[in-house]
Amino acid sequence: DVQMTQSPSTLSASVGDRVIITCRASESISRWLAWYQQKPGKAPKLLIYKASSLESGVPSRFSGSGSGTEFTLTISSLQSDDLATYYCQQYNSYSWTFGQGTKVEIK
Amino acid sequence: EVQLVESGGGLVKPGESLRLSCVASGFSFSDYSVNWVRQAPGKGLEWVSSISSDSGSIYYGDSMRGRFTISRDNAKNSLYLQMNSLRAEDTAVYYCVRDQGGYDSSGWGYYFDHWGQGTLVTVSS
Repeated sequence: DVQMTQSPSTLSASVGDRVIITCRASESISRWLAWYQQKPGKAPKLLIYKASSLESGVPSRFSGSGSGTEFTLTISSLQSDDLATYYCQQYNSYSWTFGQGTKVEIK
Repeated sequence: EVQLVESGGGLVKPGESLRLSCVASGFSFSDYSVNWVRQAPGKGLEWVSSISSDSGSIYYGDSMRGRFTISRDNAKNSLYLQMNSLRAEDTAVYYCVRDQGGYDSSGWGYYFDHWGQGTLVTVSS
C-alpha cells in the first residue's frame, strides 16, 4: 500500500500568515491526491482534488500543488475559521490512504 | 443538496456483529460509487471499503477484509456495512462517503466529495 506522510503534525500561526502543509507519498501517485479539512466534531470536507483543483465553494486562499510523490497545501492568508486538522489522501489501484493529519492552531 | 445519513452505530461486545446503514439523497445514488471511511477517537482517517455503482466491484482495506461486507440497494438509495467479529480496535466513527472519479493521462482516479455526519461504533466488554 502507498503510505502518506504529512508534515508538520501541528503548526501554530497567526491570522494573515501563509501556511504550507506537505504530504509525501511512498511511491508515485501521479496527481491523484486530495486535501480535506476537518473541524472539531465535524465530518471532513473536500478542499482540493487532483492535487491542485479547488472544490466548488472553497475559498481561493486554499491552493494545492505537486505531483509524483511530493505535494503541498497552501493557505495564503490564514483566517480564524481555518482552525482545523488537514488530511491529504491518495488514490492508487482501488485503495485509498490518508496522511496522519496536520492540526492548524491560531496563535 | 447531497445528503448522506448514517445509522446503526452503538455499543457492542468484542466478537459481536453490527450492521451500519446509510441513506443517500439529493443525487442519483445509482450513478456513484460509495465508500465507508472510519476514524478512531482522536485518530486519523482510515478507508474501510468501496462499492461501485452496480455492486460489480468491491474493495476492502487490509484490516477489514474477511470480517466486513459492504453492500448497497440502489432502489432504496442505501449503503450498508455488515461488521462481524468486532474488535476493540474497530471502535470509531464510521462515515458514509460518495466518491467522484476523474481521468487523465495517468488513468482513472477517485476522491471523496461528500461525507455523512458519521455514526459511532464502540466495541467494549
